[in-house]
Amino acid sequence: LAKTTQPISMDSYEGQEVNITCSHNNIATNDYITWYQQFPSQGPRFIIQGYKTKVTNEVASLFIPADRKSSTLSLPRVSLSDTAVYYCLVQRDTGRRALTFGSGTRLQVQP
Amino acid sequence: DTGVSQDPRHKITKRGQNVTFRCDPISEHNRLYWYRQTLGQGPEFLTYFQNEAQLEKSRLLSDRFSAERPKGSFSTLEIQRTEQGDSAMYLCASSVTGERATDTQYFGPGTRLTVL
Repeated sequence: LAKTTQPISMDSYEGQEVNITCSHNNIATNDYITWYQQFPSQGPRFIIQGYKTKVTNEVASLFIPADRKSSTLSLPRVSLSDTAVYYCLVQRDTGRRALTFGSGTRLQVQP
Repeated sequence: DTGVSQDPRHKITKRGQNVTFRCDPISEHNRLYWYRQTLGQGPEFLTYFQNEAQLEKSRLLSDRFSAERPKGSFSTLEIQRTEQGDSAMYLCASSVTGERATDTQYFGPGTRLTVL
């Protein structure tokens, strides 16, 4: 599976939009991009998944350019409760089921 | 609350002791996963069940580790002769078979193991 690279940490303020970019240069044709969120002392929680262009749900948007070598998770108007670690993962739609997590991006939202 | 429960939430043990953790997945989910997470790192895959069959084991799962899912519902993870390096958060996740392998995994709150 393609290795993912994302910033170690980011800081933001309440009410701002936060964009976290992940690079996955060696992504394959049947790979999907998935983002999980993890709060301290909790298990990761699925946020969003996409294949190309743009996906939006009630929590976030995911932007994937045509070459799919990167993706950007967009969190609109963050609040203090969005302080968490965000993981970008590549999932293949056949074969191995296990998720491969990197170290994630630690987002700190300040008042 | 995702619907996946784990017990206990915390376990402190002495080196050399055996420990067992339990995971109850979401009831209709046929897939169950175990992961381990150490401080500052993302979760690492340990093993995976589809129904009662253990289909994949990571190289991280040494012979001191064993996992079961006897009736295709709850699962147990046992660590024998614990070592200090086993100290970590042990996470369980479950999912339901979809058309693609990219099914969403729902994680439990984890069991934090401390080996003294």
